[in-house]
Amino acid sequence: DIVMTQSPDSLAVSLGERATINCKSSQSVVYRSNNKNSLAWYQQKPGQPPKLLIYWASTRESGVPDRFSGSGSETDFTLTISSLQAEDVAVYYCQQFYTTPRTFGQGTKVEIK
Amino acid sequence: QVQLQESGPGLVKPSETLSLNCAVSGGSISSYYCSWIRQTPGKGLEWIGDISYNGYANYNPSFKSRVTISVDTSKTHFSLKLTSVTAADTAVYYCANGTRWFDSWGPGTLVSVSS
Repeated sequence: DIVMTQSPDSLAVSLGERATINCKSSQSVVYRSNNKNSLAWYQQKPGQPPKLLIYWASTRESGVPDRFSGSGSETDFTLTISSLQAEDVAVYYCQQFYTTPRTFGQGTKVEIK
Repeated sequence: QVQLQESGPGLVKPSETLSLNCAVSGGSISSYYCSWIRQTPGKGLEWIGDISYNGYANYNPSFKSRVTISVDTSKTHFSLKLTSVTAADTAVYYCANGTRWFDSWGPGTLVSVSS
């Protein structure tokens, strides 16, 4: 199985500041047929299911604010919230879809400083 | 957008079978690929498996000997069966649309395994 490791486990950021979450896969997740990275990001708020933010490592899902962006390639990926808002307090997960079983990172909790 | 809703018993006895349904609305089920994912405090999010509308299923080897995912013949819902459950199977179970990434999720249902 591909192991997904996120860092940090939690971070506290001031409102309006940048939040950066890292995700590392145990092997490359580049889908060779289209040269895209098979990586998605989710946001989960308490009592709710995860919500898809980004897929193919950098494609924003429809309706997701543009302060959320994804980057990275091969094994190292980043989710950036450019200007943290109060409603962004949540746990964020990365997930690889390069192969089955699909696997998720352990989550990063984002709080307001 | 598609909406999904899980249903089933909230309490299952050890060694018995966990059975859940996922009702799909808001579009044709033939457009969907249903995945089952569970969440526990200890192991986080775990992909259990998925199935296409025409019944082709794919399972996580960690569950393969115990799990069956199916789609009903009228194609109004998907189902999950997990046999020989233990306390370790206590989790919130989600159905979600998609096979690569998951763009719609049900609200989830908590299943506790206890005698």
